[in-house]
Amino acid sequence: DARVTQTPRHKVTEMGQEVTMRCQPILGHNTVFWYRQTMMQGLELLAYFRNRAPLDDSGMPKDRFSAEMPDATLATLKIQPSEPRDSAVYFCASGSYTEDSPLHFGNGTRLTVT
Amino acid sequence: AQKVTQAQTEISVVEKEDVTLDCVYETRDTTYYLFWYKQPPSGELVFLIRRNSFDEQNEISGRYSWNFQKSTSSFNFTITASQVVDSAVYFCALSEARGISNFGNEKLTFGTGTRLTIIP
Repeated sequence: DARVTQTPRHKVTEMGQEVTMRCQPILGHNTVFWYRQTMMQGLELLAYFRNRAPLDDSGMPKDRFSAEMPDATLATLKIQPSEPRDSAVYFCASGSYTEDSPLHFGNGTRLTVT
Repeated sequence: AQKVTQAQTEISVVEKEDVTLDCVYETRDTTYYLFWYKQPPSGELVFLIRRNSFDEQNEISGRYSWNFQKSTSSFNFTITASQVVDSAVYFCALSEARGISNFGNEKLTFGTGTRLTIIP
């Protein structure tokens, strides 16, 4: 089965440190999403890309978060500097705009900022 | 703006009972997609079903069935003869279609989830 791969699975870091999360979308999928899950806010969209171009990053705190797709096989989400309130599970998902394939999520990166 | 409401925060049933999870949505779009995802204790989000707004036929997949009613803006999910492995958090979600051909791969608006516990 094709899968969305996220690394790392877990990350513990100290406040102020840079955090980079990576996502490998399913081969051939041209749409990539970043979602964040917290107890208080639930699942919320941070940003998404189509054909590597950013379409919407309105859910992302611009001062410290950045999302990029250096190539079609890699999406990254960076937090610099990290803060304790960034502690959450970050999910990447990929889908195809042209093929009948539903959105699939990776296993998530559980981030803890102390 | 789109909104998804899952009024049931937690449900507990005894194994083998049937259970229905409610989902009510709001959208101004005339074309849209609805989804259900399962999040087991291990944490991943597992796709269960996708429905577009033009297809109001109910769907059955094994012990799972879905009832889509546009008149009441609801997309409810029923598990028949529940099993312990069904214990999870279930999310209903909505996306705009932007033309029906995109297969729902637009940004999703999620409900807050229903935590289902099946008691052995």
